[in-house]
Amino acid sequence: GAVVSQHPSWVICKSGTSVKIECRSLDFQATTMFWYRQFPKQSLMLMATSNEGSKATYEQGVEKDKFLINHASLTLSTLTVTSAHPEDSSFYICSARSQGVGQPQHFGDGTRLSIL
Amino acid sequence: AQSVTQLDSQVPVFEEAPVELRCNYSSSVSVYLFWYVQYPNQGLQLLLKYLSGSTLVESINGFEAEFNKSQTSFHLRKPSVHISDTAEYFCAVSEGGYNKLIFGAGTRLAVHP
Repeated sequence: GAVVSQHPSWVICKSGTSVKIECRSLDFQATTMFWYRQFPKQSLMLMATSNEGSKATYEQGVEKDKFLINHASLTLSTLTVTSAHPEDSSFYICSARSQGVGQPQHFGDGTRLSIL
Repeated sequence: AQSVTQLDSQVPVFEEAPVELRCNYSSSVSVYLFWYVQYPNQGLQLLLKYLSGSTLVESINGFEAEFNKSQTSFHLRKPSVHISDTAEYFCAVSEGGYNKLIFGAGTRLAVHP
């Protein structure tokens, strides 16, 4: 149980294009979803937290106009990297959790984004 | 503010040897503690968690961690490691609930034959 599917797993695109990453909870309702960025051999950096039906809460230093997050349903959140540039290349990971005490975050397998 | 310190960035060990991955945290309130494992090019998998109750928690694959409030530690141990345990291990803390997770820098466990 508690499976989170992230798609695509790998994407390469040209500088200036926008890229959408999907995060789905397959067997539970995700009231809260999180988006992280991970640089090589480093820890995860929380970018934003989104609750279903609400605007995402971004961490300090994360550009909300650059990284658009939508959490329109209890099973789907999307991250769109707008006008991507090489410095946006990274490993992006989503996680999801259901409501209630004792519910941990469950992580997707990540998306490797490479901007040429 | 919360913080998590994983004292060892890399831990090399031979197969079937015991291992301990250290984790210390700082927080002014009660916390929930987690260990996650990450295999190459994958997301994180929950290994075990401490919410309350018994301070010793175990996972299904032989790992265990002990919450020590006085030392603010949550070290991960396994009495006998396998090659397949080679991965990155992250300790994380959440204050009083399941909102933000604060991660440590990670420890690379490398098991050698």
